[in-house]
Amino acid sequence: EAGVVQSPRYKIIEKKQPVAFWCNPISGHNTLYWYLQNLGQGPELLIRYENEEAVDDSQLPKDRFSAERLKGVDSTLKIQPAELGDSAVYLCASSLEGVGIGGPYNEQFFGPGTRLTVL
Amino acid sequence: KQEVTQIPAALSVPEGENLVLNCSFTDSAIYNLQWFRQDPGKGLTSLLLIQSSQREQTSGRLNASLDKSSGRSTLYIAASQPGDSATYLCAVRDRYGQNFVFGPGTRLSVLP
Repeated sequence: EAGVVQSPRYKIIEKKQPVAFWCNPISGHNTLYWYLQNLGQGPELLIRYENEEAVDDSQLPKDRFSAERLKGVDSTLKIQPAELGDSAVYLCASSLEGVGIGGPYNEQFFGPGTRLTVL
Repeated sequence: KQEVTQIPAALSVPEGENLVLNCSFTDSAIYNLQWFRQDPGKGLTSLLLIQSSQREQTSGRLNASLDKSSGRSTLYIAASQPGDSATYLCAVRDRYGQNFVFGPGTRLSVLP
């Protein structure tokens, strides 16, 4: 089974330029997350989708960040314009939310991330 | 607001030792807790998921326990190997099953 796919793996841009990240979750996973991870810290949630609906975007800086998950499958995160402080690793994760015979299942699986450097 | 801490921030042990990593959280009303491993420059790999109704989970040489009342979880690694060297993060999911809050991680080095 293929894992969470992200592209590009690395991106270097100059400040004020736009940048976009793409994520394809594990097949069948209904929930998708975008996280930001700074060096030496744990990931911080930017936005969470349940199917195609953004159910939590409270931590997304909406003046410059936007995201979409058309058709409830893959997702794109965009920054426009990028600032120096946006340099970080952007992680995508997915999970299948629900309750089965053995109890709830909602394990998160992460992609390899996109390392963004803003010069 | 849920806060998650992990102590120690870094740990270095000789190969073969058993070790314990700690995760503490401030709000005990959680949905579940998940332990991850992160290798340098890579994404997070899920190790163990403990639901709020469970006390522990085991996978191979790994054992994770959960004590909600005290706001603590531990990850026990038996017979450590150099390949276990990585950063270990815990993430707590809030009571409504909505958001995950991550700890800063413990950077583990297992020396051959």
